Amino acid sequence: GAVVSQHPSWVICKSGTSVKIECRSLDFQATTMFWYRQFPKQSLMLMATSNEGSKATYEQGVEKDKFLINHASLTLSTLTVTSAHPEDSSFYICSARDLMRGAEETQYFGPGTRLLVL
Amino acid sequence: AQTVTQSQPEMSVQEAETVTLSCTYDTSESNYYLFWYKQPPSRQMILVIRQEAYKQQNATENRFSVNFQKAAKSFSLKISDSQLGDTAMYFCALENAGNMLTFGGGTRLMVKP
Repeated sequence: GAVVSQHPSWVICKSGTSVKIECRSLDFQATTMFWYRQFPKQSLMLMATSNEGSKATYEQGVEKDKFLINHASLTLSTLTVTSAHPEDSSFYICSARDLMRGAEETQYFGPGTRLLVL
Repeated sequence: AQTVTQSQPEMSVQEAETVTLSCTYDTSESNYYLFWYKQPPSRQMILVIRQEAYKQQNATENRFSVNFQKAAKSFSLKISDSQLGDTAMYFCALENAGNMLTFGGGTRLMVKP
């Protein structure tokens, strides 16, 4: 089956530093990857859609300069939280779509990254 | 804009019993997909079941089945013979033509022994 990995699985950083989270599709190619944020006991909120070779599309209210997304290849997208602050602490989840399976194929989710900013 | 509503924040069921989780949605699109995802304590999102809006037949996956009422914009999940491993958060989700998922607020299901 299709597998999506995320690295790191958890990270603790100091306020003001930047943190990079990687999302990889391990056994398939993904033209599109999605980044979600999930607060404790809440649902997933779409942050941005990452397309290989082009700029990401951000949802309303998400600061593109704070959450930098790069989708440099068909198997890798990165989310960089710049100048992180405690309010950025959250669970970040990526998902990827399998290009070869066409538009009807579902998204596959990574295991998530827990970010804690002190 | 599309919305997904899960009106039951928490539910519990006895092991081996049947439970139904509710979901209603709203979309202006005619072609869309509906999903139920399970998020156990590990927080890994797991696809439970998927329904194409253009298919009238309700999707079924082993102990999991849906009741899809397109006119009423309702998409409930029935779990039969509940097992302890079914304990998790369950999210209903709607995918539009742009391939973006909109999630409901979730239902926390507890299966009791």
